[in-house]
Amino acid sequence: GENVEQHPSTLSVQEGDSAVIKCTYSDSASNYFPWYKQELGKRPQLIIDIRSNVGEKKDQRIAVTLNKTAKHFSLHITETQPEDSAVYFCAATTGSGNTGKLIFGQGTTLQVKP
Amino acid sequence: NAGVTQTPKFRVLKTGQSMTLLCAQDMNHEYMYWYRQDPGMGLRLIHYSVGEGTTAKGEVPDGYNVSRLKKQNFLLGLESAAPSQTSVYFCASSSIPRGDYGYTFGSGTRLTVV
Repeated sequence: GENVEQHPSTLSVQEGDSAVIKCTYSDSASNYFPWYKQELGKRPQLIIDIRSNVGEKKDQRIAVTLNKTAKHFSLHITETQPEDSAVYFCAATTGSGNTGKLIFGQGTTLQVKP
Repeated sequence: NAGVTQTPKFRVLKTGQSMTLLCAQDMNHEYMYWYRQDPGMGLRLIHYSVGEGTTAKGEVPDGYNVSRLKKQNFLLGLESAAPSQTSVYFCASSSIPRGDYGYTFGSGTRLTVV
């Protein structure tokens, strides 16, 4: 079946450094790629997303890039802060039809050390 | 505006018991989803619905049933609970027809089957 691979599984950075999380997807029909942040014991929350007709999108300190040819997309967080510590999930739409079904990566635990 | 509400928040079941998880959304979203979250495996789609009266299987549907009798409610049933169904269950909704692919998640139900 279709899948999304996410790396690394854990990432530790110093406050102020940048963090990059990478995902690859297998479904060539995928056209929407969201990123979710999940704090401990909380629900996942959408932080940024990108459509297949766009190569890059930025929102303040976070950005997402998409390479459709290589089937990979990445999350970039600059000037990291302790409150960025959380689990981050990438996802991609999957399946035929406009169902909005998402397949998620396994998650990356980001730790930002003060 | 409550968004997506899940009940109950916690539950302990004995093997073989049944239960129903309720998801309610007040955003008039057409599409609703049930995911389970297990450590190291991201979120996996159980069942989904693209409108009132419709349901479809996701990635891991075995052992679960769903119903969408009203647009705002999406119920997930476990007929005979098994320890393998110990997980955190998240409901989500989206408004694909309006071009909004982003999910709004509920706060989750932590289920333990002993």
